[in-house]
Amino acid sequence: AQTVTQSQPEMSVQEAETVTLSCTYDTSENNYYLFWYKQPPSRQMILVIRQEAYKQQNATENRFSVNFQKAAKSFSLKISDSQLGDTAMYFCAFMSLDSNYQLIWGAGTKLIIKP
Amino acid sequence: DVKVTQSSRYLVKRTGEKVFLECVQDMDHENMFWYRQDPGLGLRLIYFSYDVKMKEKGDIPEGYSVSREKKERFSLILESASTNQTSMYLCASSFRTGMGTEAFFGQGTRLTVV
Repeated sequence: AQTVTQSQPEMSVQEAETVTLSCTYDTSENNYYLFWYKQPPSRQMILVIRQEAYKQQNATENRFSVNFQKAAKSFSLKISDSQLGDTAMYFCAFMSLDSNYQLIWGAGTKLIIKP
Repeated sequence: DVKVTQSSRYLVKRTGEKVFLECVQDMDHENMFWYRQDPGLGLRLIYFSYDVKMKEKGDIPEGYSVSREKKERFSLILESASTNQTSMYLCASSFRTGMGTEAFFGQGTRLTVV
């Protein structure tokens, strides 16, 4: 069975700093997606970034980028020039293409951006 | 914009009550999900539906049932609410296949069972 591990329950950084959130996963499959979702306080969960396992190039979305290391089964999220609005719970998720597209979730990292 | 709407933001129910949580999506998504979110445990899948009247058990189905009579609506039912079902409940929907497999979430229902 697949598992997703986020080893940092909580992190805090100063505004404008760069922060990296860790995620590791365990799977024997070759074809899958990886996601980072963001859940701001009292607001809806939204997708931050997605990575297809067959792509070697790391995904980037504006200030958000990932470091995808397939062999190491690592999928970290880097937030550059952090902003107060980045304060949220961040969840790493794994989706197997062989399991009805269900998501396996990490426990989450609470990120606090300090002014 | 994709909308996933959950019927209640906050709910307080008594032990033993039958509780209905409703979720509606407007994007013609095939997949719909009910998750339970507890601190330190991430999101745990309760039930999943990939089509009308179809359902699959997730990781923690005990004490819950679901209903999907129409494509846009997915209901979670707590047959007899218990205090250990106090939690945040999240509904999500997605397309079944292809690149559009991003899950879209509702705002969540915080259920307290007293």
